[in-house]
Amino acid sequence: EVQLVESGGGLVQPGGSLRLSCAASGFTFSSYWMSWVRQAPGKGLEWVANIKQDGSEKYYVDSVKGRFTISRDNAKNSLYLQMNSLRAEDTAVYYCARDTAAGTLDYWGQGTLVTVSS
Amino acid sequence: EIVMTQSPATLSVSPGERATLSCRASQSVSSNLAWYQQKPGQAPRLLIYGASTRATGIPARFSGSGSGTEFTLTISSLQSEDFAVYYCQQYNNWPLYTFGQGTKLEIK
Repeated sequence: EVQLVESGGGLVQPGGSLRLSCAASGFTFSSYWMSWVRQAPGKGLEWVANIKQDGSEKYYVDSVKGRFTISRDNAKNSLYLQMNSLRAEDTAVYYCARDTAAGTLDYWGQGTLVTVSS
Repeated sequence: EIVMTQSPATLSVSPGERATLSCRASQSVSSNLAWYQQKPGQAPRLLIYGASTRATGIPARFSGSGSGTEFTLTISSLQSEDFAVYYCQQYNNWPLYTFGQGTKLEIK
């Protein structure tokens, strides 16, 4: 059974940093692209970033470029999102999702809440 | 950036009736479109990809159609568990993705 479990969310002040993790199991993690998607409270879904199987390619939505970094550790079956210079508008539930590389997100974690507030 | 626009924002339908949800792309995305269902407090679930192919385990009452810039998700006979928010997503601009703003399907 495919499982994705996010962790690392919490309350952080504007300008602060946070690192999210996603532990994957039930599939060959190193064979898949992976994505982060976020959802602000009461709002829709926004794709944030994705990363190729070997980490050699990474892509970001414009609003987080230069502030967020996606990475992975295939030996640990883990995906990460380092978030720096956080802003109030980054407040959201952050989901990790398996990216089929055909473009669809076929499995999702339950999400971790990031709140940016003073 | 490809902008995805869903309509209506909210759709009220009675159980057993048909629901039709629309998604429009600001430029052609060919058939590179997916639909997701999200229930309150849950993660999204993939329903449809390639505009019309049901994902594994998705009931046949869900169907997708369209290509280019106009797409439709149809639920043929609404069940109680189908009331949720539905999102379309384009992946024609792979590996950059955009979602529509969602359609809330509520019980009439």
